[in-house]
Amino acid sequence: DVKVTQSSRYLVKRTGEKVFLECVQDMDHENMFWYRQDPGLGLRLIYFSYDVKMKEKGDIPEGYSVSREKKERFSLILESASTNQTSMYLCASSYDRGPRELFFGEGSRLTVL
Amino acid sequence: RKEVEQDPGPFNVPEGATVAFNCTYSNSASQSFFWYRQDCRKEPKLLMSVYSSGNEDGRFTAQLNRASQYISLLIRDSKLSDSATYLCVVNMNTGFQKLVFGTGTRLLVSP
Repeated sequence: DVKVTQSSRYLVKRTGEKVFLECVQDMDHENMFWYRQDPGLGLRLIYFSYDVKMKEKGDIPEGYSVSREKKERFSLILESASTNQTSMYLCASSYDRGPRELFFGEGSRLTVL
Repeated sequence: RKEVEQDPGPFNVPEGATVAFNCTYSNSASQSFFWYRQDCRKEPKLLMSVYSSGNEDGRFTAQLNRASQYISLLIRDSKLSDSATYLCVVNMNTGFQKLVFGTGTRLLVSP
């Protein structure tokens, strides 16, 4: 089975802190994604990557950056956390560039105080 | 207009009932469509893809209506375990895999 693992299920951070969310997949997928999910807004794409060291902005990249140094690992970075970044963050991966199935991690619920 | 719209529900149905959800999309060039299921406090998982000819998987049937730009999901003989949020997902086909998620329709199946 495909496994997408997110490093932290629950985090509580203070405004201005730097936050790292890590995601690892074990199926050699080319594509990896970071979404955030908020009530009434659904899942929104923050960043995605289709290859090592490649990254593309999604719909809401402001306030976030990403890193993909290895194929299996995709990190989301909040340089200076703000309260409006309190959300559920979901990492996903997929096989190739086509509209394939997304495999999601269990999510990281971030609260910024 | 939202790119993908769903009725948030909740749809409350008794076990054994048949229930249907619709989802409308704004981009007529969209090519791929999916239904994902998300249980409470869990990650979304693919339920089924939606093909032009429609497709069926056990008690679940998905249909695509390109003329009216909507997809549907029909669940027959509802089970308690079908209680979940159903997410409509559309590939907007703007180059790379640009999947747009609806906000979901919540289904509650009661005994």
